[in-house]
Amino acid sequence: QKEVEQDPGPLSVPEGAIVSLNCTYSNSAFQYFMWYRQYSRKGPELLMYTYSSGNKEDGRFTAQVDKSSKYISLFIRDSQPSDSATYLCAMSAGSILTGGGNKLTFGTGTQLKVEL
Amino acid sequence: DTAVSQTPKYLVTQMGNDKSIKCEQNLGHDTMYWYKQDSKKFLKIMFSYNNKELIINETVPNRFSPKSPDKAHLNLHINSLELGDSAVYFCASSRDTGGTEAFFGQGTRLTVV
Repeated sequence: QKEVEQDPGPLSVPEGAIVSLNCTYSNSAFQYFMWYRQYSRKGPELLMYTYSSGNKEDGRFTAQVDKSSKYISLFIRDSQPSDSATYLCAMSAGSILTGGGNKLTFGTGTQLKVEL
Repeated sequence: DTAVSQTPKYLVTQMGNDKSIKCEQNLGHDTMYWYKQDSKKFLKIMFSYNNKELIINETVPNRFSPKSPDKAHLNLHINSLELGDSAVYFCASSRDTGGTEAFFGQGTRLTVV
C-alpha cells in the first residue's frame, strides 16, 4: 500500500463546476500538506500549502486537512478550462531539524479536464 | 527570471552511455532535490542536499551520483544508462525550515534507447 493514495482520474467536469480532489495517507507523522498543479510537459507548480489540520482559502481554491481521518481535499470553485491539468497532493513529516528531512511524498496525481 | 532551471530539457541517449543533468536555483534556498517522474506521472524523491551536504538518498542505484558544488547548484550524473532510466527528472529547491514547500524546475525528459 502506498503512503499516499490519490484517485488518478481522469476527472471531466463542465466549466463552472465545483471540483473536489482528495488524497488519503497512512503516515501519521505527516504535518505539512501541499497541492501542486502540473500542466502537460511542465514542472509541478505549488498551489496551496497548509500545516496540520484546518482549511485554507486562496481565490477559487480551498484546501482542507483532516489529520484525524488522514484525509486532505482541494476544492476548485467556478472551474475554468485553464484549470485542466494534473493535480498532485504532497506531504511532508518535517524539516531536517525535526528529522523529516523535508522529503515530499506525492500522490499519483488526478488528471482534471474542464470542458467548455 | 527562472527560479529553478535545469538543462537540458530533453535528452535522448543510448544504453550504456553516461550523461549529466544540471540544475541551478536563484531563490537563495538551502535545500535542493532530485525527483524522478515515471510514465504514470508518479513523482518520487531520489536525493536531497542541504548546504551542499547529502541528507536524503532514497535507495537509488549507485549509477546515479548527485553533486552539489555550491548551495545554488545540484547536478545529477548517471553512469551506464539503462532503458528503465527513461523518465522525467525534476530538480527542486526549498528553504531550510520546517516542511516548507518545494519549487520545481521544468524537468528533463530522458529517453534511453
